[in-house]
Amino acid sequence: GQQVMQIPQYQHVQEGEDFTTYCNSSTTLSNIQWYKQRPGGHPVFLIQLVKSGEVKKQKRLTFQFGEAKKNSSLHITATQTTDVGTYFCAGHSNSGYALNFGKGTSLLVTP
Amino acid sequence: GAGVSQSPSNKVTEKGKDVELRCDPISGHTALYWYRQSLGQGLEFLIYFQGNSAPDKSGLPSDRFSAERTGGSVSTLTIQRTQQEDSAVYLCASSWGGETQYFGPGTRLLVL
Repeated sequence: GQQVMQIPQYQHVQEGEDFTTYCNSSTTLSNIQWYKQRPGGHPVFLIQLVKSGEVKKQKRLTFQFGEAKKNSSLHITATQTTDVGTYFCAGHSNSGYALNFGKGTSLLVTP
Repeated sequence: GAGVSQSPSNKVTEKGKDVELRCDPISGHTALYWYRQSLGQGLEFLIYFQGNSAPDKSGLPSDRFSAERTGGSVSTLTIQRTQQEDSAVYLCASSWGGETQYFGPGTRLLVL
């Protein structure tokens, strides 16, 4: 079945440094979603990418969907302590409705 | 509010007892998902309901786990003969079709 892998598992940065997490799928995705989970909270939807090669920005966050629609990345510029949390990617295969979540990248930002 | 709600928020039980966890999805959402999240871990898919279709139970870890969705709305996840390794946060999410998932606050289960 479809597998969604994320790297790195953990990342610790100093405030102001950039951060990137990568998501790779074993199969082609119809779309990919990103979620953020703050410590002690539940996952909250950030964005969905649908088109091959699509790039979307939300303030300091840049999301990319690969040309082959099998990988994606989330880049945060100049991290802040409010960025702390676990970032999950989740992919839809072309064959069904169920989302497959990656295991997440936990980001720690120290001032 | 109009979000996904789950109850109870916390549950402490003794090994061997049965527990029921409830999820009230957002009204009108046809899809409902259950996930399990152990401390510091990712989301483990358990079961997925879509409309009137047969549920996708492929993520249930053992036959001690079962779930129902009555009337296409409320869902109950039942764990029979709980074990200590069942301790985790159980998250429910709902969506319209297979689109954005809206998560509930979760039920924190502790099996002693």
